Amino acid sequence: GENVEQHPSTLSVQEGDSAVIKCTYSDSASNYFPWYKQELGKGPQLIIDIRSNVGEKKDQRIAVTLNKTAKHFSLHITETQPEDSAVYFCAASHSNSGYALNFGKGTSLLVTP
Amino acid sequence: KAGVTQTPRYLIKTRGQQVTLSCSPISGHRSVSWYQQTPGQGLQFLFEYFSETQRNKGNFPGRFSGRQFSNSRSEMNVSTLELGDSALYLCASSNDRGSPGELFFGEGSRLTVL
Repeated sequence: GENVEQHPSTLSVQEGDSAVIKCTYSDSASNYFPWYKQELGKGPQLIIDIRSNVGEKKDQRIAVTLNKTAKHFSLHITETQPEDSAVYFCAASHSNSGYALNFGKGTSLLVTP
Repeated sequence: KAGVTQTPRYLIKTRGQQVTLSCSPISGHRSVSWYQQTPGQGLQFLFEYFSETQRNKGNFPGRFSGRQFSNSRSEMNVSTLELGDSALYLCASSNDRGSPGELFFGEGSRLTVL
């Protein structure tokens, strides 16, 4: 089955700096790659996603890049703010698996003022 | 629009007991998925239901089961509880546009098995 690895497990940056989280996947059939943010005591919330026919997608301070050949994708957060502090999860799935997402183990991001 | 509602939010059980968790999806969403979240294993897919039918199932033992009702509400059941079943159980709903898309998660039911 699909295996998603995520690095780093913890990341500390200063407010205003950029943060980058990287994930690799094993199943070349995977074609949907979402990123979720989970704040303490809450369920994960989608922040951005990308499909395999696109190499990059941006939404304000957040961007995701996908390299299908190398089977890795990354989340980039620019101009970080303290409210960006949370746990971020990458995931991968393919059309045949419907909504069965394979998640990475998560990255705990801390943005210090 | 109300979000995904899960009940109960917290519960404590002992080994060997069974538990039933409930999930009410966002109005109009017909797909409901369940995930188990633990510190060691992270988020793991349990199963997904659409129109009262199980559409996908993860790699969990048969002690884990679920169902979906005609109003899209879903329940999951865990029988013969083990200590390792202690986890946050998350339900997510989707408006199912035919391909994988955004999941809307509830806040979860935190199960502690003693």
